[in-house]
Amino acid sequence: GQQLNQSPQSMFIQEGEDVSMNCTSSSIFNTWLWYKQDPGEGPVLLIALYKAGELTSNGRLTAQFGITRKDSFLNISASIPSDVGIYFCAGAAMYSGGGADGLTFGKGTHLIIQP
Amino acid sequence: EAGVVQSPRYKIIEKKQPVAFWCNPISGHNTLYWYLQNLGQGPELLIRYENEEAVDDSQLPKDRFSAERLKGVDSTLKIQPAELGDSAVYLCASSLGEDEQFFGPGTRLTVL
Repeated sequence: GQQLNQSPQSMFIQEGEDVSMNCTSSSIFNTWLWYKQDPGEGPVLLIALYKAGELTSNGRLTAQFGITRKDSFLNISASIPSDVGIYFCAGAAMYSGGGADGLTFGKGTHLIIQP
Repeated sequence: EAGVVQSPRYKIIEKKQPVAFWCNPISGHNTLYWYLQNLGQGPELLIRYENEEAVDDSQLPKDRFSAERLKGVDSTLKIQPAELGDSAVYLCASSLGEDEQFFGPGTRLTVL
């Protein structure tokens, strides 16, 4: 099946630093999404991207849908302690029926903020 | 607006026992998904429902797993019999038939 390569696997940063993570795929996706998962909880949607080249912001988060439709990145500016968690990229392909397929997820980027 | 509800949150069983998970999606969401998440991995799709119809169950191990969504609202995922390798988090998600999927908190299953 399709695979998403997400990197880095983990990041150790200082509070206030900017963060960047990315995701690449061997296949084309119609939609890229970024989720954050805290321990013991389900993934929470952060940003959804629908068009190649699209750049979307949500507060301190910025994500882009790559022009080739095979990659996406997420940036977090001025990190704060509550940004700690696991960030997942996910790709979706629209099936012919007009609904939405299940998502293909990356393996996650574990963000750790050092005091 | 209430989010996706799942129960139980935690379940510990012995191998070869049956187990069932329940999910109530966000009101009005016609599409419901069950995902499996192993430790250190991203979620993987098990089955997708459009209303009461299972439109993609290609990743569901049908020898021991079954699912139903009889009235097109809430759904149940069952494992019978459970194996040690089934220990994982089982996530339910729902959507309005678009790609933005909203997840429940998951059920953490431990098989001893």
